[in-house]
Amino acid sequence: DAGVIQSPRHEVTEMGQEVTLRCKPISGHDYLFWYRQTMMRGLELLIYFNNNVPIDDSGMPEDRFSAKMPNASFSTLKIQPSEPRDSAVYFCASSSPAKHTEAFFGQGTRLTVV
Amino acid sequence: AQSVAQPEDQVNVAEGNPLTVKCTYSVSGNPYLFWYVQYPNRGLQFLLKYITGDNLVKGSYGFEAEFNKSQTSFHLKKPSALVSDSALYFCAVRDEGEMIKAAGNKLTFGGGTRVLVKP
Repeated sequence: DAGVIQSPRHEVTEMGQEVTLRCKPISGHDYLFWYRQTMMRGLELLIYFNNNVPIDDSGMPEDRFSAKMPNASFSTLKIQPSEPRDSAVYFCASSSPAKHTEAFFGQGTRLTVV
Repeated sequence: AQSVAQPEDQVNVAEGNPLTVKCTYSVSGNPYLFWYVQYPNRGLQFLLKYITGDNLVKGSYGFEAEFNKSQTSFHLKKPSALVSDSALYFCAVRDEGEMIKAAGNKLTFGGGTRVLVKP
């Protein structure tokens, strides 16, 4: 398996533009997580899905952020409109349902909003 | 609610010396504990985990961690550090109590500890 795949690896956009980050989890993993990493806040859980259904979105910072998982092999995190304070590295991770299993992380998307 | 604390922002150690990265946790049920490492411009890589059984867990690259229930700690250790161990280390917890209550699978991370191993 190629692991968790995220695209793009880097994104530079202007303030006010819409940004869409993409993730392909490991095949067979039922859970998908979106995290954001910044120097100030560290690693924050934004939202996670189980079997394509959002379970906990309490970490989503505001209404500008939305996430979808239309099928078991694809998820998106959208920011509309983007702001400079959204600049961060966004990670997607997936795991199997077993409670003792670790999560596998993608390489991340470095987002810069200017 | 589950939480993790890594009290040290940075740990400096000389190559060849023992390395310890501290982690304490708070959960309502049984904890499932994990350590991850992050190299520059990379994602997080799994190192080791504690689920049940032996309190001393061995993982990748010569790392080990000791689960201490009375102190609610899960410190990461390496007997002899290498320069290549310089990276950002994260401790994470999954709370079995929360999983049962909320039928979730939430993994909460600490703030991370930067390790610098000097030659």
